[in-house]
Amino acid sequence: AQKITQTQPGMFVQEKEAVTLDCTYDTSDQSYGLFWYKQPSSGEMIFLIYQGSYDEQNATEGRYSLNFQKARKSANLVISASQLGDSAMYFCAMRASAGGTSYGKLTFGQGTILTVHP
Amino acid sequence: NAGVTQTPKFQVLKTGQSMTLQCAQDMNHEYMSWYRQDPGMGLRLIHYSVGAGITDQGEVPNGYNVSRSTTEDFPLRLLSAAPSQTSVYFCASRERGGLGNIQYFGAGTRLSVL
Repeated sequence: AQKITQTQPGMFVQEKEAVTLDCTYDTSDQSYGLFWYKQPSSGEMIFLIYQGSYDEQNATEGRYSLNFQKARKSANLVISASQLGDSAMYFCAMRASAGGTSYGKLTFGQGTILTVHP
Repeated sequence: NAGVTQTPKFQVLKTGQSMTLQCAQDMNHEYMSWYRQDPGMGLRLIHYSVGAGITDQGEVPNGYNVSRSTTEDFPLRLLSAAPSQTSVYFCASRERGGLGNIQYFGAGTRLSVL
């Protein structure tokens, strides 16, 4: 079974500073993918960044980077130069290699609410 | 630019009523899913489909039915609504295969069952 754990219910950061949102995962699969989604107060789910388990380099997308530590089974999201618009709920999610089925469902963590202060 | 479209955005039901949440995507994605979001629990998979005519249960399927007659549409049916089904429902789609294929979400349906 797959499990995603986000231990920070809420985080606060000052505008223009960097912040790290924690995510640990558990899976017995060797091949898997890790995702981060942003959910602003309007409710939609916005894809931010993806890291494959065999990717040698940490993923980056603009101000977002994923600090992937495979041995520790962690996939922390780093947001650099925080902006007021970054205030939102952030979800970590994992998709494993489907264990013989054809789907490979996305398993989500509980989420972390990030508040950016001016 | 429609992507994944869900209707309605809001719905209030009485216990025992039935209704269908609609989901349509225009990206020709084979894979579609329904999730529910509850406070402190993230998103949990209700049902999914890997193509027209093929559906399967997710993590929390009880009380919900689905069917997939076309690639574009994946409706979720509540046969007899219960207060425990009060939640925010998301439909999602993605291309088949590929661990890294992005799952695109609709805007969500906020459902209250009284």
